[in-house]
Amino acid sequence: GDSVTQMEGPVTLSEEAFLTINCTYTATGYPSLFWYVQYPGEGLQLLLKATKADDKGSNKGFEATYRKETTSFHLEKGSVQVSDSAVYFCALSEGGGSNYKLTFGKGTLLTVNP
Amino acid sequence: DAGITQSPRHKVTETGTPVTLRCHQTENHRYMYWYRQDPGHGLRLIHYSYGVKDTDKGEVSDGYSVSRSKTEDFLLTLESATSSQTSVYFCATASAGNYEQYFGPGTRLTVT
Repeated sequence: GDSVTQMEGPVTLSEEAFLTINCTYTATGYPSLFWYVQYPGEGLQLLLKATKADDKGSNKGFEATYRKETTSFHLEKGSVQVSDSAVYFCALSEGGGSNYKLTFGKGTLLTVNP
Repeated sequence: DAGITQSPRHKVTETGTPVTLRCHQTENHRYMYWYRQDPGHGLRLIHYSYGVKDTDKGEVSDGYSVSRSKTEDFLLTLESATSSQTSVYFCATASAGNYEQYFGPGTRLTVT
């Protein structure tokens, strides 16, 4: 079955540092890939997505590129802020054939210190 | 953002009692999902619905049942709550053709 593996946390960075959170996947078809973010006490929000190989998703300074050859979708940001402190989830969907179900990684807690 | 509400937002209950959580959406989305979130496990799918009265099991469905009698409401029932069901429960919705899911604010359930 499908699975998503993302780097174990927690990750602690200083403000303005470079962020990378690794995500790799296994899937039977051609999934769409997502990064969701969860701020303390809240539900998940979509951060960015990519629907086909070589697509780059970007939002709020974060970006991730869908790499089919390495089955990866690593999240990056050039300069993190304290407000980026949250839990980040990588996820995939095989679409309508699987009723748009999402398969999630276990999440990575990011803490950014001033 | 999709209009998704969950009720109650917090609940404490005793082992062996029945509990029903409600998810309500105003977006007319066809698909609805219930997840639980636990430390070290991320989000795990409990049950989902692909239409009114159409539901199926997810990966952690034991001890849970669901019902969907109308598009906007998806109920999750714990027939006899156990301490292992202490968790944060999230509802999500999706529309056909759009792979993105929209999440509610969550319900924190504590079973004592």
